[in-house]
Parts: sequence; structure tokens; C-alpha cells
Amino acid sequence: GQQLNQSPQSMFIQEGEDVSMNCTSSSIFNTWLWYKQDPGEGPVLLIALYKAGELTSNGRLTAQFGTTRKDSFLNISASIPSDVGIYFCAGPHPSGTYKYIFGTGTRLKVLA
Amino acid sequence: ETGVTQTPRHLVMGMTNKKSLKCEQHLGHNAMYWYKQSAKKPLELMFVYSLEERVENNSVPSRFSPECPNSSHLFLHLHTLQPEDSALYLCASSQDFEGDTQYFGPGTRLTVL
Repeated sequence: GQQLNQSPQSMFIQEGEDVSMNCTSSSIFNTWLWYKQDPGEGPVLLIALYKAGELTSNGRLTAQFGTTRKDSFLNISASIPSDVGIYFCAGPHPSGTYKYIFGTGTRLKVLA
Repeated sequence: ETGVTQTPRHLVMGMTNKKSLKCEQHLGHNAMYWYKQSAKKPLELMFVYSLEERVENNSVPSRFSPECPNSSHLFLHLHTLQPEDSALYLCASSQDFEGDTQYFGPGTRLTVL
């Protein structure tokens, strides 16, 4: 079935470092969403992308809608300890717009 | 701050118990969703409601029974669950169900003994 693959699966970084992660699909997506999930909590929407090539920022976070429409990227600049969590990409399933597909997640740990 | 609330946040139940999970959204949305999140697996869509009508039952066993009495409230009734049903159950809402961004509640951590 349709799947979104995220890379890396997990990463340990030092506080202050920049972080890059990506999400790839075998199908074209018209919307890309990035969520963050803290332990024991629900995912919180960070950034939504609606157009190929679009680059959108939310504070220290920047996400891009890949030009092929099969990938998206999320960057975090100058990481801080509260950036710890799992980052998910998501998008509407190509066959049914309300069916979201979620990526496998990138688990981020920040070392102070 | 979240526009979607869920209660209880944690629930432990035996396989013969009956319990219910509650979700409430304060965003004026028309669509609500139940997801299951198991360890190391992507979120699994369970049910979708639009304007209080169920539009999707994603092959969920009948021991899970959803109820949507109005557009702000969504319940998940549980009975005779199995240990493998232990997971984080997440509720979400969106303005409409056709592709609108979904906003999640904090989830209910369910443990079935």
C-alpha cells in the first residue's frame, strides 16, 4: 500500500545544531503536512505545504514541498532541548482526500 | 493549548470490561476522526465522521464502536478488547473531511490486560 518513508529514522544531535529530515513517496502528493509529537501527546501541526516548490517557515522550522511532488523536507535551525520528539510527515492519500497517510516518523533527541 | 480534547488520558481495562473514550473539538469543524497509534507503526485511520455521519470504517473490528452525537463530540465505545488493542488512540478534527488539515487531540493511552 501507499507509504511515506522518512529519513533518518532517528537522530541524536547537540543543542544548537541544525537538523534536516525528509519524507518521500512513490506517488504524487498535492499537500504535505509536518507534525511533531511529544511523548504521550497527540501530533501537533507544524507546517502545511500546498504547492510544489513552496518553502514555508514557522520560527526555526522551514519546510519545502519538493518540485517532483513526491518528497518534502523539514529543517530545524539551532536546535534546542524542547525540539525533542517525533516528527511525522503526512498527506492526503492519492485515492481519497480525507484519508491521510502518515510517515514512519523521525525521532529527534537533542543533547544539551 | 489545543482545540481538541480527549478523556481519559490514560485507561487500563480488562478484556471483559466496557469503556468509552471521549473526544471534543472546540474548533467548529465538521469532520472528526479516530486513529490508532501502536508502537513503531504509522498512525492507522479507524473511523471518519462528517456532519455526524460515518463516512469511513477502515476495517475496524466490531469491538470498537464509534458514536458521533453532534459535530463537536466523538466517542469510541470499547468492549471485549484484546491485549493487542493496547495503543494510543487519537482523535482529530478538520473543517471538512475532503482534504482539510487535521488537528489532533492529546490521545488516550489504552492498556488492555
